[in-house]
Amino acid sequence: GESVGLHLPTLSVQEGDNSIINCAYSNSASDYFIWYKQESGKGPQFIIDIRSNMDKRQGQRVTVLLNKTVKHLSLQIAATQPGDSAVYFCAERPNSGYALNFGKGTSLLVTP
Amino acid sequence: DSGVTQTPKHLITATGQRVTLRCSPRSGDLSVYWYQQSLDQGLQFLIQYYNGEERAKGNILERFSAQQFPDLHSELNLSSLELGDSALYFCASSPGSTGELFFGEGSRLTVL
Repeated sequence: GESVGLHLPTLSVQEGDNSIINCAYSNSASDYFIWYKQESGKGPQFIIDIRSNMDKRQGQRVTVLLNKTVKHLSLQIAATQPGDSAVYFCAERPNSGYALNFGKGTSLLVTP
Repeated sequence: DSGVTQTPKHLITATGQRVTLRCSPRSGDLSVYWYQQSLDQGLQFLIQYYNGEERAKGNILERFSAQQFPDLHSELNLSSLELGDSALYFCASSPGSTGELFFGEGSRLTVL
């Protein structure tokens, strides 16, 4: 069936390094993708989004890359900081629907 | 603070009981979404309302129901509760029926 999934459940990086979190999706009809960050005990917070007519979008310290050929989405975090430690979710919205479908999440741990 | 308010934050109840979770969306947002997050699971979409009407339905059990009131707040009713219903229930809102979702802090339900 259609699904959004993450390649790695956990990722450990050193402070100052760059982080890359990957996500695969299978619904080629999805037209909108979004990354959320969820800190312990809190609700998900928006990080960055990208529409299917783009392949790259940059924010502050974050970049999202979209490869529609292989149905792959990635989130790059530059100069990772301890405050970046959280669970990161990718989500897709099929263009036939309204709600976002979320993957299971990747736990990012930033070590000093 | 996302501007989405959920109550109660924590709720402990017994199997077979019924509970109601409440959500106030951000001011001006017409859409409300409900998601369930179980341990080690991603966010599972339950249901969406737009301006008082059901817009989309996901993996919502028949024991669960929701509604959105004229003032745009929403309630999620969970009945005949089972142990497996223990989870975090998130409400999110958005200005329209698509786009970025703003999440509340969640309601943690524990069924004993």
